[in-house]
Amino acid sequence: GNSVTQMEGPVTLSEEAFLTINCTYTATGYPSLFWYVQYPGEGLQLLLKATKADDKGSNKGFEATYRKETTSFHLEKGSVQVSDSAVYFCALSDKNTGKLIFGQGTTLQVKP
Amino acid sequence: DAGVTQSPTHLIKTRGQQVTLRCSPKSGHDTVSWYQQALGQGPQFIFQYYEEEERQRGNFPDRFSGHQFPNYSSELNVNALLLGDSALYLCASSAPGQGGNEQFFGPGTRLTVL
Repeated sequence: GNSVTQMEGPVTLSEEAFLTINCTYTATGYPSLFWYVQYPGEGLQLLLKATKADDKGSNKGFEATYRKETTSFHLEKGSVQVSDSAVYFCALSDKNTGKLIFGQGTTLQVKP
Repeated sequence: DAGVTQSPTHLIKTRGQQVTLRCSPKSGHDTVSWYQQALGQGPQFIFQYYEEEERQRGNFPDRFSGHQFPNYSSELNVNALLLGDSALYLCASSAPGQGGNEQFFGPGTRLTVL
């Protein structure tokens, strides 16, 4: 079945450091891929998405590229801020069912 | 645009009781999905409603049931509550075929079962 695997956290970085959070997936067909962010005590916010191979999603300085050959969708940011501290979830959506399948989440802590 | 709204924010119940959670979708969306997020875990898909019918269902027992109303709002009902049902329950809305099935989430209802 479809699944998503994320690198385990927590990830602790200093402000202005480079961020990479790895995400790989297993899926039949060609799913859409998403990164969601969850701040403490809140619901999920869509951070970025990619709907087909080689698409690059970007938002608020974050980027991720849909790599079909490596079945990956790694999240990157060139310079993190304290306000980026949150839990990040990688997810895929089966285009037929619309159901989202999430990874286990990666906690990011950015220190000043 | 009010976005996805959920009520109540928090709820405390005891084992064996029943609970109803409510969700109003984002304007223009006709599909509602429910997810359960246990502490420290990613959300797990419960079911999805479209045109007032359950269209997809995840691996959850029949104690979990739902409903969608003509205005697209939805309810999640859980019967015979267990301690393990304690979680954050998230509602998400979408418009099929748009944005690669992008879903917009509400703030969630935190259910505690004692």
